[in-house]
Amino acid sequence: AQKVTQAQTEISVVEKEDVTLDCVYETRDTTYYLFWYKQPPSGELVFLIRRNSFDEQNEISGRYSWNFQKSTSSFNFTITASQVVDSAVYFCALRGFYNQGGKLIFGQGTELSVKP
Amino acid sequence: DSGVTQTPKHLITATGQRVTLRCSPRSGDLSVYWYQQSLDQGLQFLIQYYNGEERAKGNILERFSAQQFPDLHSELNLSSLELGDSALYFCASSVGNENTGELFFGEGSRLTVL
Repeated sequence: AQKVTQAQTEISVVEKEDVTLDCVYETRDTTYYLFWYKQPPSGELVFLIRRNSFDEQNEISGRYSWNFQKSTSSFNFTITASQVVDSAVYFCALRGFYNQGGKLIFGQGTELSVKP
Repeated sequence: DSGVTQTPKHLITATGQRVTLRCSPRSGDLSVYWYQQSLDQGLQFLIQYYNGEERAKGNILERFSAQQFPDLHSELNLSSLELGDSALYFCASSVGNENTGELFFGEGSRLTVL
């Protein structure tokens, strides 16, 4: 079975603080893909990043960075110098490679509130 | 703008009724996925179609059905509606069937059952 766990239900920070959103996944597949999506208050789901299981390099995109550690089955997301516009629900998701179709399995989401 | 179009954006109906949600995928995308987002269940995968054929099935109730038409748009039919069916229903699309790419989501259809 595949599962994604985001243990942090809500996080509240003050603007300019750094914040890390945790994601732990379970899968028996040796090839799989991990994703992060952002859901702002307006409701749409916005793609942030995709990472395949063979690429453990960390990635940085502006204030966003992702730390993928296969040994601990974690794919954590860090926002540096957070801003009010970062306030949203963030979802981590997993896609298995074999016989899965293309569907994503989502975690329960972490609601991030950035206060001015 | 993801390129995925969902209609209607909001829908209010009564228990026992039937509704149809419509989705137009991004140009060139062959796969369409339906997800239900509710407060207690989170984002749940319902069903996937690829080029008109059902490809994968998730936690979709028997009262719900979907199809993908030759022009690749998809409809999700919800019947005998119950209060618990109130949720945000997302459609997503991707290029292939079991590809490596991301899913592009529409803005969702918010269904309220009274």
